[in-house]
Amino acid sequence: NAGVMQNPRHLVRRRGQEARLRCSPMKGHSHVYWYRQLPEEGLKFMVYLQKENIIDESGMPKERFSAEFPKEGPSILRIQQVVRGDSAAYFCASSPAGTQYEQYFGPGTRLTVT
Amino acid sequence: GENVEQHPSTLSVQEGDSAVIKCTYSDSASNYFPWYKQELGKRPQLIIDIRSNVGEKKDQRIAVTLNKTAKHFSLHITETQPEDSAVYFCAATPSNTGKLIFGQGTTLQVKP
Repeated sequence: NAGVMQNPRHLVRRRGQEARLRCSPMKGHSHVYWYRQLPEEGLKFMVYLQKENIIDESGMPKERFSAEFPKEGPSILRIQQVVRGDSAAYFCASSPAGTQYEQYFGPGTRLTVT
Repeated sequence: GENVEQHPSTLSVQEGDSAVIKCTYSDSASNYFPWYKQELGKRPQLIIDIRSNVGEKKDQRIAVTLNKTAKHFSLHITETQPEDSAVYFCAATPSNTGKLIFGQGTTLQVKP
Protein backbone atom coordinates (compact mmCIF):
# COMPACT_ATOMS: atom_id res chain seq x y z
CA ASN A 1 0.00 0.00 0.00
CA ALA A 2 1.86 3.03 -1.26
CA GLY A 3 2.00 6.06 0.96
CA VAL A 4 1.23 9.64 0.02
CA MET A 5 3.11 10.59 -3.13
CA GLN A 6 4.25 14.05 -4.10
CA ASN A 7 6.05 15.32 -7.15
CA PRO A 8 8.26 16.88 -8.00
CA ARG A 9 10.42 16.53 -4.89
CA HIS A 10 12.40 19.63 -5.78
CA LEU A 11 11.27 22.49 -7.97
CA VAL A 12 13.21 25.59 -8.98
CA ARG A 13 11.36 28.51 -10.48
CA ARG A 14 12.35 32.02 -11.43
CA ARG A 15 10.36 34.93 -10.06
CA GLY A 16 7.16 35.39 -12.05
CA GLN A 17 6.89 31.79 -13.23
CA GLU A 18 4.21 29.31 -12.22
CA ALA A 19 4.75 26.38 -9.86
CA ARG A 20 2.53 23.32 -9.98
CA LEU A 21 2.78 20.78 -7.17
CA ARG A 22 1.08 17.39 -7.27
CA CYS A 23 -0.13 15.08 -4.52
CA SER A 24 -1.56 11.58 -4.76
CA PRO A 25 -3.20 10.45 -1.51
CA MET A 26 -2.87 7.03 0.04
CA LYS A 27 -5.09 4.37 -1.45
CA GLY A 28 -8.55 4.60 0.10
CA HIS A 29 -8.06 8.17 1.30
CA SER A 30 -10.39 10.82 -0.09
CA HIS A 31 -9.31 13.81 2.00
CA VAL A 32 -6.25 15.89 1.12
CA TYR A 33 -4.61 18.72 3.05
CA TRP A 34 -1.82 21.05 1.99
CA TYR A 35 0.64 22.58 4.49
CA ARG A 36 3.55 24.95 4.01
CA GLN A 37 6.76 24.88 6.03
CA LEU A 38 9.07 27.86 5.80
CA PRO A 39 12.75 27.27 6.63
CA GLU A 40 13.29 26.70 10.37
CA GLU A 41 9.56 27.06 11.05
CA GLY A 42 6.53 24.92 11.76
CA LEU A 43 3.81 23.70 9.47
CA LYS A 44 1.01 26.04 8.45
CA PHE A 45 -2.34 24.81 7.13
CA MET A 46 -3.24 26.05 3.67
CA VAL A 47 -6.22 24.15 2.26
CA TYR A 48 -8.40 21.06 2.79
CA LEU A 49 -10.00 19.30 -0.17
CA GLN A 50 -12.15 16.33 -0.97
CA LYS A 51 -12.72 15.05 -4.47
CA GLU A 52 -14.01 17.98 -6.57
CA ASN A 53 -14.61 20.12 -3.46
CA ILE A 54 -12.67 22.69 -1.50
CA ILE A 55 -13.72 22.24 2.12
CA ASP A 56 -11.56 24.84 3.85
CA GLU A 57 -9.17 27.29 2.21
CA SER A 58 -8.80 29.60 5.18
CA GLY A 59 -5.00 29.26 5.15
CA MET A 60 -4.49 30.03 1.48
CA PRO A 61 -3.14 33.43 0.44
CA LYS A 62 -5.91 35.30 -1.36
CA GLU A 63 -3.89 35.89 -4.50
CA ARG A 64 -1.74 33.69 -6.74
CA PHE A 65 -2.52 30.43 -4.90
CA SER A 66 -5.13 27.88 -5.93
CA ALA A 67 -5.79 24.21 -5.29
CA GLU A 68 -7.90 21.48 -6.80
CA PHE A 69 -8.60 17.80 -6.33
CA PRO A 70 -10.31 16.53 -9.48
CA LYS A 71 -12.43 13.42 -9.77
CA GLU A 72 -9.55 11.68 -11.49
CA GLY A 73 -5.88 12.29 -10.84
CA PRO A 74 -3.81 13.95 -8.14
CA SER A 75 -4.50 17.06 -6.12
CA ILE A 76 -2.74 20.12 -7.55
CA LEU A 77 -1.45 23.17 -5.69
CA ARG A 78 -0.75 25.98 -8.13
CA ILE A 79 1.24 29.09 -7.37
CA GLN A 80 1.20 31.75 -10.05
CA GLN A 81 3.81 34.49 -10.48
CA VAL A 82 6.03 33.07 -7.75
CA VAL A 83 8.05 35.38 -5.50
CA ARG A 84 11.09 34.66 -3.32
CA GLY A 85 8.87 34.47 -0.25
CA ASP A 86 7.13 31.43 -1.71
CA SER A 87 10.32 29.39 -1.25
CA ALA A 88 9.37 26.67 1.23
CA ALA A 89 8.59 23.00 1.62
CA TYR A 90 5.03 22.18 0.65
CA PHE A 91 3.62 19.04 2.21
CA CYS A 92 0.37 17.33 1.48
CA ALA A 93 -1.32 14.89 3.82
CA SER A 94 -4.22 12.52 3.34
CA SER A 95 -6.76 10.88 5.61
CA PRO A 96 -9.61 8.42 5.10
CA ALA A 97 -12.14 10.87 6.49
CA GLY A 98 -12.33 14.33 7.98
CA THR A 99 -12.25 15.18 11.62
CA GLN A 100 -10.41 13.09 14.22
CA TYR A 101 -8.65 10.90 11.68
CA GLU A 102 -4.94 10.42 11.26
CA GLN A 103 -3.25 12.47 8.57
CA TYR A 104 -0.29 10.91 6.80
CA PHE A 105 2.20 13.17 5.10
CA GLY A 106 3.93 12.91 1.77
CA PRO A 107 7.67 13.58 1.32
CA GLY A 108 7.07 17.20 0.37
CA THR A 109 8.02 19.43 -2.54
CA ARG A 110 10.84 21.84 -1.88
CA LEU A 111 10.23 24.96 -3.92
CA THR A 112 13.08 27.37 -4.52
CA VAL A 113 12.38 30.68 -6.20
CA THR A 114 15.42 32.36 -7.70
CA GLY B 1 -8.93 31.05 15.55
CA GLU B 2 -7.17 28.10 17.15
CA ASN B 3 -3.69 28.68 18.49
CA VAL B 4 -1.25 26.04 19.74
CA GLU B 5 1.72 26.94 21.91
CA GLN B 6 4.57 24.45 22.35
CA HIS B 7 7.42 24.40 24.88
CA PRO B 8 10.33 24.12 25.09
CA SER B 9 11.69 25.10 21.70
CA THR B 10 14.85 23.05 22.31
CA LEU B 11 15.50 20.16 24.67
CA SER B 12 18.75 18.33 25.30
CA VAL B 13 18.84 15.13 27.35
CA GLN B 14 21.27 12.31 28.05
CA GLU B 15 20.59 8.94 26.52
CA GLY B 16 18.33 6.97 28.81
CA ASP B 17 16.71 10.01 30.39
CA SER B 18 13.09 11.03 29.87
CA ALA B 19 11.91 13.95 27.72
CA VAL B 20 8.68 15.90 28.13
CA ILE B 21 7.22 18.35 25.62
CA LYS B 22 4.16 20.43 26.49
CA CYS B 23 1.47 22.10 24.40
CA THR B 24 -1.52 24.28 25.13
CA TYR B 25 -4.41 25.03 22.81
CA SER B 26 -6.96 27.81 22.73
CA ASP B 27 -10.13 26.27 21.23
CA SER B 28 -11.89 24.33 23.99
CA ALA B 29 -13.84 22.40 21.34
CA SER B 30 -10.68 20.90 19.81
CA ASN B 31 -11.04 17.13 19.78
CA TYR B 32 -7.99 15.50 18.20
CA PHE B 33 -4.33 15.92 19.20
CA PRO B 34 -1.58 14.20 17.18
CA TRP B 35 2.18 14.35 17.64
CA TYR B 36 4.60 14.27 14.72
CA LYS B 37 8.33 13.60 14.53
CA GLN B 38 10.29 15.25 11.72
CA GLU B 39 13.88 14.40 10.93
CA LEU B 40 15.95 16.84 8.93
CA GLY B 41 14.75 17.02 5.33
CA LYS B 42 12.09 14.37 5.89
CA ARG B 43 8.31 14.27 6.11
CA PRO B 44 6.46 14.69 9.42
CA GLN B 45 5.78 11.23 10.80
CA LEU B 46 2.78 10.55 13.04
CA ILE B 47 4.05 8.92 16.24
CA ILE B 48 1.04 9.02 18.56
CA ASP B 49 -2.31 10.73 18.88
CA ILE B 50 -5.07 11.19 21.43
CA ARG B 51 -8.73 12.05 21.17
CA SER B 52 -10.71 14.26 23.51
CA ASN B 53 -12.54 11.39 25.19
CA VAL B 54 -9.27 9.88 26.47
CA GLY B 55 -6.91 11.21 29.16
CA GLU B 56 -3.81 9.18 28.43
CA LYS B 57 -2.41 6.90 25.75
CA LYS B 58 0.81 4.92 25.69
CA ASP B 59 2.76 3.15 22.95
CA GLN B 60 5.98 1.51 24.13
CA ARG B 61 8.36 4.33 25.13
CA ILE B 62 6.07 7.20 24.21
CA ALA B 63 2.93 8.44 25.95
CA VAL B 64 0.61 11.38 25.60
CA THR B 65 -1.57 12.94 28.30
CA LEU B 66 -4.49 15.30 27.79
CA ASN B 67 -6.03 17.70 30.32
CA LYS B 68 -9.13 19.13 28.68
CA THR B 69 -9.91 21.45 31.58
CA ALA B 70 -6.53 23.12 31.34
CA LYS B 71 -6.43 22.77 27.51
CA HIS B 72 -3.05 21.18 27.83
CA PHE B 73 -1.43 18.03 26.40
CA SER B 74 2.03 16.57 26.71
CA LEU B 75 4.36 14.08 25.04
CA HIS B 76 6.50 11.87 27.23
CA ILE B 77 9.43 9.87 25.86
CA THR B 78 11.13 7.47 28.27
CA GLU B 79 14.53 5.77 27.93
CA THR B 80 15.53 8.15 25.17
CA GLN B 81 17.88 6.98 22.43
CA PRO B 82 20.04 8.96 19.98
CA GLU B 83 17.63 8.05 17.17
CA ASP B 84 14.90 9.95 19.03
CA SER B 85 16.75 13.16 18.09
CA ALA B 86 14.45 15.15 15.79
CA VAL B 87 11.96 18.01 15.75
CA TYR B 88 8.66 17.15 17.42
CA PHE B 89 5.43 18.95 16.60
CA CYS B 90 2.17 18.88 18.50
CA ALA B 91 -1.08 19.72 16.73
CA ALA B 92 -4.75 20.22 17.46
CA THR B 93 -7.86 19.95 15.32
CA PRO B 94 -10.41 22.72 15.93
CA SER B 95 -13.99 21.52 16.25
CA ASN B 96 -15.77 20.45 13.08
CA THR B 97 -12.71 20.94 10.93
CA GLY B 98 -10.17 18.54 9.51
CA LYS B 99 -7.22 20.88 9.51
CA LEU B 100 -4.30 20.58 11.91
CA ILE B 101 -2.98 23.61 13.77
CA PHE B 102 0.64 22.95 14.68
CA GLY B 103 2.80 24.12 17.52
CA GLN B 104 6.11 25.77 16.80
CA GLY B 105 8.12 22.58 17.26
CA THR B 106 10.65 21.26 19.77
CA THR B 107 14.15 20.26 18.71
CA LEU B 108 15.11 17.26 20.83
CA GLN B 109 18.75 16.27 21.08
CA VAL B 110 19.63 13.00 22.79
CA LYS B 111 23.30 12.85 23.71
CA PRO B 112 24.92 9.39 23.71
